[in-house]
Amino acid sequence: SQELEQSPQSLIVQEGKNLTINCTSSKTLYGLYWYKQKYGEGLIFLMMLQKGGEEKSHEKITAKLDEKKQQSSLHITASQPSHAGIYLCGADRGGAQKLVFGQGTRLTINP
Amino acid sequence: DTAVSQTPKYLVTQMGNDKSIKCEQNLGHDTMYWYKQDSKKFLKIMFSYNNKELIINETVPNRFSPKSPDKAHLNLHINSLELGDSAVYFCASSQADRRSYEQYFGPGTRLTVT
Repeated sequence: SQELEQSPQSLIVQEGKNLTINCTSSKTLYGLYWYKQKYGEGLIFLMMLQKGGEEKSHEKITAKLDEKKQQSSLHITASQPSHAGIYLCGADRGGAQKLVFGQGTRLTINP
Repeated sequence: DTAVSQTPKYLVTQMGNDKSIKCEQNLGHDTMYWYKQDSKKFLKIMFSYNNKELIINETVPNRFSPKSPDKAHLNLHINSLELGDSAVYFCASSQADRRSYEQYFGPGTRLTVT
């Protein structure tokens, strides 16, 4: 089983709708990173969360880390075609200088 | 200005061949990584170098040999390519910092072994 589980694996929403992607860890997270990947391109850093209960927003994207630091959610408000892509959560296990990633969530925005 | 660049972007080769992928970062970072993303989009770390020293080797077959001539470069050489090596390989870099492991990724190299 994966250390990080993302749900859903695939998501299709109508443009303008809100959506949420979840990332669940079997272990305590020292740091949780959200990345976005467009087809044929590398990963683009979105946000990093470190403290339990922390919430960050950038434009229409909000990410939260729960108090126990084992689950994070990424929420997009009023989705747009530019939001389409694969969203990956990555976890820092602390001191290992590496990230482990979830399997990704493929987001499609229908006009 | 490209922060992390990889060459080539696409690589098609036959089984048994030896190939290299190059990576360069101009961010002044001291840590570089190689990741493999398989057909199911799982992204897994392969290697990590800090100041030209190998610090992570995630049970990768020894047909894969990373080389870091300097802090700004981390190349990946693959010997005796196999069908299962087909994947997208991403290079990344970061600045070793206890507070954050935010990594910057290259555009990826799509390797197809036939």
